[in-house]
Amino acid sequence: KAGVTQTPRYLIKTRGQQVTLSCSPISGHRSVSWYQQTPGQGLQFLFEYFSETQRNKGNFPGRFSGRQFSNSRSEMNVSTLELGDSALYLCASRVLAVSTDTQYFGPGTRLTVL
Amino acid sequence: QQPVQSPQAVILREGEDAVINCSSSKALYSVHWYRQKHGEAPVFLMILLKGGEQKGHDKISASFNEKKQQSSLYLTASQLSYSGTYFCGTALERSQGNLIFGKGTKLSVKP
Repeated sequence: KAGVTQTPRYLIKTRGQQVTLSCSPISGHRSVSWYQQTPGQGLQFLFEYFSETQRNKGNFPGRFSGRQFSNSRSEMNVSTLELGDSALYLCASRVLAVSTDTQYFGPGTRLTVL
Repeated sequence: QQPVQSPQAVILREGEDAVINCSSSKALYSVHWYRQKHGEAPVFLMILLKGGEQKGHDKISASFNEKKQQSSLYLTASQLSYSGTYFCGTALERSQGNLIFGKGTKLSVKP
């Protein structure tokens, strides 16, 4: 099975711009979670989508949003970029059907805000 | 609510053993261990459920002490490939999608 894929792998944007990141989960996985990883804060949960519905949301401002499509692919959008948004954005997919549910991470999108 | 990992960093020689701990102030349902190498995605190692048994494969194993709400990751006879940052992710409930991760333990294995 192919793993979780994320595009693009690298992005450079300037303050005030917006950005859209994409995540394709492992085939058969219906849940997609997004995390932000920075050296200072570590891995922080952004949101989770399941069956095109947001299931959970972390403590991030409304500039961060996401959605999921019927094929389980997910996108996250960050509007009005700030310097502090520079981070590695990881998505993780899982089946969401068993108690030993494991999240599998994609390679991430490295976002740099100038 | 963020679990506390210890130590923050450890340097080993090939063949040495290491233990990484992950402690929570909350009652946990599960603990998930990942290893991340620089510039790569976190790779799943194993999951421990409350009431579950100690897990392990190859020379890496883990346990979960429910009384202490602490999980420990054991790396025995370390190899160069074990180098990386180890994270524990915790869930308070079954099917919880928002894992809460510790800050990580950087493990360096030297020849």
